[in-house]
Amino acid sequence: EAGVVQSPRYKIIEKKQPVAFWCNPISGHNTLYWYLQNLGQGPELLIRYENEEAVDDSQLPKDRFSAERLKGVDSTLKIQPAELGDSAVYLCASSLGGPGSYNEQFFGPGTRLTVL
Amino acid sequence: GQQVMQIPQYQHVQEGEDFTTYCNSSTTLSNIQWYKQRPGGHPVFLIQLVKSGEVKKQKRLTFQFGEAKKNSSLHITATQTTDVGTYFCAGGEGANNLFFGTGTRLTVIP
Repeated sequence: EAGVVQSPRYKIIEKKQPVAFWCNPISGHNTLYWYLQNLGQGPELLIRYENEEAVDDSQLPKDRFSAERLKGVDSTLKIQPAELGDSAVYLCASSLGGPGSYNEQFFGPGTRLTVL
Repeated sequence: GQQVMQIPQYQHVQEGEDFTTYCNSSTTLSNIQWYKQRPGGHPVFLIQLVKSGEVKKQKRLTFQFGEAKKNSSLHITATQTTDVGTYFCAGGEGANNLFFGTGTRLTVIP
């Protein structure tokens, strides 16, 4: 069974440019997460989806970040415009989900973003 | 907001020595999960604890959830070079949302 797929693996852009990351979760996983991980730190949640609904986007900087999961399967995270401080690894994770459940999360390999 | 702290931040051990990392939350947790992240890799799920005082073992790894459900520990007996990586605890206040700790980076010296 394929794991969580993310692309691209690496992205280098200049500040003020837009950038997009794509994630395809494990088949059948209803919950999808986007995390940001800075070097030497733990993952920080940006947004969580239950199917196509964003149920927690409180940590998403909405002035420049946006995300979508239109059909409740794959998802895209966008930054526009990117700033120097956005350089980090963007991780996507998925889990079976469901109310009242504590499911393990399966992480993708991440996209390492460098903003110059 | 919820904060999950881990200590130590770094740990260097000689191969064969034991290792422990501690996780502390500012609030009572509904569950706690542990993940391992190898250098250059992504977090990989190790285990989940739900019950107060729960203890689980996986070979040389022992996981514990505190009675008050505000702290947890991971203990590795007789470390091996394959144990190298960063260990994160992740605490949840409800279903699905987890707050990751700051991590403990383990280095094992052969």
